[in-house]
Amino acid sequence: AQSVTQPDIHITVSEGASLELRCNYSYGATPYLFWYVQSPGQGLQLLLKYFSGDTLVQGIKGFEAEFKRSQSSFNLRKPSVHWSDAAEYFCAVVNTGTASKLTFGTGTRLQVTL
Amino acid sequence: SQTIHQWPATLVQPVGSPLSLECTVEGTSNPNLYWYRQAAGRGLQLLFYSVGIGQISSEVPQNLSASRPQDRQFILSSKKLLLSDSGFYLCAWSWGGWETQYFGPGTRLLVL
Repeated sequence: AQSVTQPDIHITVSEGASLELRCNYSYGATPYLFWYVQSPGQGLQLLLKYFSGDTLVQGIKGFEAEFKRSQSSFNLRKPSVHWSDAAEYFCAVVNTGTASKLTFGTGTRLQVTL
Repeated sequence: SQTIHQWPATLVQPVGSPLSLECTVEGTSNPNLYWYRQAAGRGLQLLFYSVGIGQISSEVPQNLSASRPQDRQFILSSKKLLLSDSGFYLCAWSWGGWETQYFGPGTRLLVL
């Protein structure tokens, strides 16, 4: 069965600093990978996704992620963090089939200091 | 464009009471629909998914049930709530062969 690991439960960065959130997956075939963001008390918003092709994918809000098959990773990055980026970030892999079922990591909570 | 609604936004219920949470999707037809639960400080757990009217698949045994009476309506229910049912419930949809899921705003349930 597929699984997703987000090793960092909580990360604090200063506004304007760069950010990298780690995600490792376990999946037998070529994975479909996602990053979602959740602000407190809100639903999940899709940041970006990787299905195939270019291993560096661009998303909304200035985020990008790089798929590295050799490392089974799909890390999320942003060159310069804004205070509004403070939220919880979830990495997910989908089990394709009749209905696409997402398996989520446990999330990384990002705190941004001014 | 597609929109997904959930209500109520917040719910406080006593132990043993029934539950009904509703999710509706606008702007698409024959979506796949999903119910997730997010317990405090934890990730998201898939509870149910549906590929069509009346078709429900359960991912984990639990005190909850789901129904899909109409194409774009997905209901999460319980006959008797437990304390452990407290959490944040999220509905999501995807379409056809596309794997991307889009989430609703969620319902926060507190069972006392």
